[in-house]
Amino acid sequence: GMPVEQNPPALSLYEGAESGLRCNFSTTMKGVQWFQQNHRGRLITLFYLAQGTKENGRLKSTFNSKERYSTLHIKDAQLEDSGTYFCAVEEGNQGKLIFGQGTKLSIKP
Amino acid sequence: EAAVTQSPRNKVAVTGGKVTLSCNQTNNHNNMYWYRQDTGHGLRLIHYSYGAGSTEKGDIPDGYKASRPSQENFSLILELATPSQTSVYFCASGDARAGGIAEQFFGPGTRLTVL
Repeated sequence: GMPVEQNPPALSLYEGAESGLRCNFSTTMKGVQWFQQNHRGRLITLFYLAQGTKENGRLKSTFNSKERYSTLHIKDAQLEDSGTYFCAVEEGNQGKLIFGQGTKLSIKP
Repeated sequence: EAAVTQSPRNKVAVTGGKVTLSCNQTNNHNNMYWYRQDTGHGLRLIHYSYGAGSTEKGDIPDGYKASRPSQENFSLILELATPSQTSVYFCASGDARAGGIAEQFFGPGTRLTVL
């Protein structure tokens, strides 16, 4: 299977709602980055974690290397949160990232 | 914050032609990377570099060459462009940390169309 799997592939939320995105990986990884790709195609870094949990405003991310997953939680969703969210995991010592297929998030008014 | 720029931002090329995509970073990062993004795929690694003079093959290097003439610049070269190389190309740079991990910073992307 894919080394990095993201679920769900697509998600639709109303403004103010909250939900979580999940990233599963097949082997132990050293770290994870979460990106939002906006409507212009620009990749915006949201989080970069080697372990544990980070929080930034309405967003929170957790990385569990042992259990081989990472999550991105969005609360009080806003229209500008729409876009595609990618997780990318780092394996080995070469600094290489392996990307998931992304979760397309649509926020409805 | 690292600044990564790419040129051109858009390019139309003909099959069999040579295409060079350029990337510049101003944060003195050791590592630089070239990815492509196609519909239905996340980003996939083409080539990367650990520093000036170094180039390494990524996961999908066939049909591409790379050049790292300086710390700041990393080019992706398509010697004989094919329509299958139509894609959006992203450059990234990141710190090399011994035994640790390196956050990557991405450029705005280059949209390449090969006719």
